[in-house]
Amino acid sequence: DAGITQSPRHKVTETGTPVTLRCHQTENHRYMYWYRQDPGHGLRLIHYSYGVKDTDKGEVSDGYSVSRSKTEDFLLTLESATSSQTSVYFCAIRPTGGIYGYTFGSGTRLTVV
Amino acid sequence: KNEVEQSPQNLTAQEGEFITINCSYSVGISALHWLQQHPGGGIVSLFMLSSGKKKHGRLIATINIQEKHSSLHITASHPRDSAVYICAVGGEYGNKLVFGAGTILRVKS
Repeated sequence: DAGITQSPRHKVTETGTPVTLRCHQTENHRYMYWYRQDPGHGLRLIHYSYGVKDTDKGEVSDGYSVSRSKTEDFLLTLESATSSQTSVYFCAIRPTGGIYGYTFGSGTRLTVV
Repeated sequence: KNEVEQSPQNLTAQEGEFITINCSYSVGISALHWLQQHPGGGIVSLFMLSSGKKKHGRLIATINIQEKHSSLHITASHPRDSAVYICAVGGEYGNKLVFGAGTILRVKS
């Protein structure tokens, strides 16, 4: 999608292994978000960032960590993947000022076996 | 009770019909968003609104702040409109979104 890319698009990993998902933006937006989407739960916020090195937890942050060392990159790490973390992960960006909506990445489908 | 409630959960329509999807919320918001997600696809932002009404092509979104209610209308529906439509509200500082469960729309030709 324009201005935001997620990688990888698909990943299968084994329980207990670390996994890092990457969100990259070219828009220079301050706010970046990681969501997971699961049947019956909809979209839920994992972590978000409001600037370089400034991050905060969302409603389902247990088992996840994030890092933002550059404006353009927001990394989501599963330190030790579990089957309950099988999900579709979406990154989103939002410009400061609030007059424009969110832009979502294409999603990463993660399967933990 | 969820902070954001959408209705209906599922909707099947015939091509050409006028469609309405409703969203009610119980929290203070800075803005309300309507999103579209096609099967297996990404999420697209359709509208962000904090008052009144917005129109884009065959899509119209309205919001009533006093009643904490928004509607998404699709005029002259088409099979390509088949998707999940998600309502989301941004908090007072707009930093986080709370999502509704989504409405699954199927438009038959």
